[in-house]
Amino acid sequence: SQTIHQWPATLVQPVGSPLSLECTVEGTSNPNLYWYRQAAGRGLQLLFYSVGIGQISSEVPQNLSASRPQDRQFILSSKKLLLSDSGFYLCAWHPAGTAYEQYFGPGTRLTVT
Amino acid sequence: QKEVEQNSGPLSVPEGAIASLNCTYSDRVSQSFFWYRQYSGKSPELIMSIYSNGDKEDGRFTAQLNKASQYVSLLIRDSQPSDSATYLCAVPSGGSYIPTFGRGTSLIVHP
Repeated sequence: SQTIHQWPATLVQPVGSPLSLECTVEGTSNPNLYWYRQAAGRGLQLLFYSVGIGQISSEVPQNLSASRPQDRQFILSSKKLLLSDSGFYLCAWHPAGTAYEQYFGPGTRLTVT
Repeated sequence: QKEVEQNSGPLSVPEGAIASLNCTYSDRVSQSFFWYRQYSGKSPELIMSIYSNGDKEDGRFTAQLNKASQYVSLLIRDSQPSDSATYLCAVPSGGSYIPTFGRGTSLIVHP
């Protein structure tokens, strides 16, 4: 069966510090991968998605970036965090070529102080 | 801009009642529809998917789809306090594999 991992689970970082969040999927090949952010009391905001290694599409221009160095690994990064980057970061996947059912990882709760 | 609209609630129902959650969408050619449950502080969990007009039942959950009216609903029978959560509706636009999520409806089931 497929499993999706995210780490760290929680993170407290000062403004201006760098960020690296990692997501990995097990038990599948060539998944479509997604990064979402959910601010407190808000809906899901799609940040990036990827259909393959090295292929990244950005939905919202901001100080975040994403990379997919391996088939089942998706990384979210920032060089300098802003207060507005605080939120719940969710990685999701679905099998390529399927009916779009997304499955979410456990999430990373980021607080920028 | 494709839109998915949900009443934010909270919807409060007594234990044992039927909870009815509604979602409307703007893209007439959407073909897939999903309901997720999100407990406070947790990630969304897929609970139902529906692709054809009509009803789809899974245990205490029933998803209802009406493409002509562009709405999809989720019924929860015999509601339990453990059903208290936010329910998200997700609809990929026609031709896209990326879903648009509604902002969710908060459900509270009180004993």
